[in-house]
Amino acid sequence: QKEVEQDPGPLSVPEGAIVSLNCTYSNSAFQYFMWYRQYSRKGPELLMYTYSSGNKEDGRFTAQVDKSSKYISLFIRDSQPSDSATYLCAMKTSSGSARQLTFGSGTQLTVLP
Amino acid sequence: DVKVTQSSRYLVKRTGEKVFLECVQDMDHENMFWYRQDPGLGLRLIYFSYDVKMKEKGDIPEGYSVSREKKERFSLILESASTNQTSMYLCASSRAGNSYEQYFGPGTRLTVT
Repeated sequence: QKEVEQDPGPLSVPEGAIVSLNCTYSNSAFQYFMWYRQYSRKGPELLMYTYSSGNKEDGRFTAQVDKSSKYISLFIRDSQPSDSATYLCAMKTSSGSARQLTFGSGTQLTVLP
Repeated sequence: DVKVTQSSRYLVKRTGEKVFLECVQDMDHENMFWYRQDPGLGLRLIYFSYDVKMKEKGDIPEGYSVSREKKERFSLILESASTNQTSMYLCASSRAGNSYEQYFGPGTRLTVT
């Protein structure tokens, strides 16, 4: 079983829809939870990160962490065609070396105009 | 604007060749990483470096080596390329205490025939 599981999609939604992207994990030591966005033929870029539990909002994006369920989500409100990309969740423990960043396999999202 | 550059976007090599992938960052970051990205498997860490001449194996180091002679430059070497090393290779960098925030290059699509 992978440490981090992510539904690969593809997910296709109409413009303006609310999008929900999710990851589950098995390692209870994870404390940092990140969402990276990767456009086609580009490297990933950090979209949001959350430390420990709770919600974090940035414009149209909301990241949510439920440590009791080992479940994280990224919500995109009023989705735009420019949001079409692959979204990768990533997680890290609070101690140890930099190698402890574990990525999900990514969900491919298409927002149709 | 922060930048991570990789020497080639596309590379085609023959089985058995020695392959060098170069990565340069201009952010004075201490950490540098090499990942490979394959469909359904996400990003897997090959090697990372936390300082000049220092390196640590990631999850899949077999068949690869690395070199970091200068802080800004991190090289990935395939000693004897094989077809199962056909993949997208991504370089990233981060600050020493901030490895959750990694900056990625555009990637090198390597095909080994």
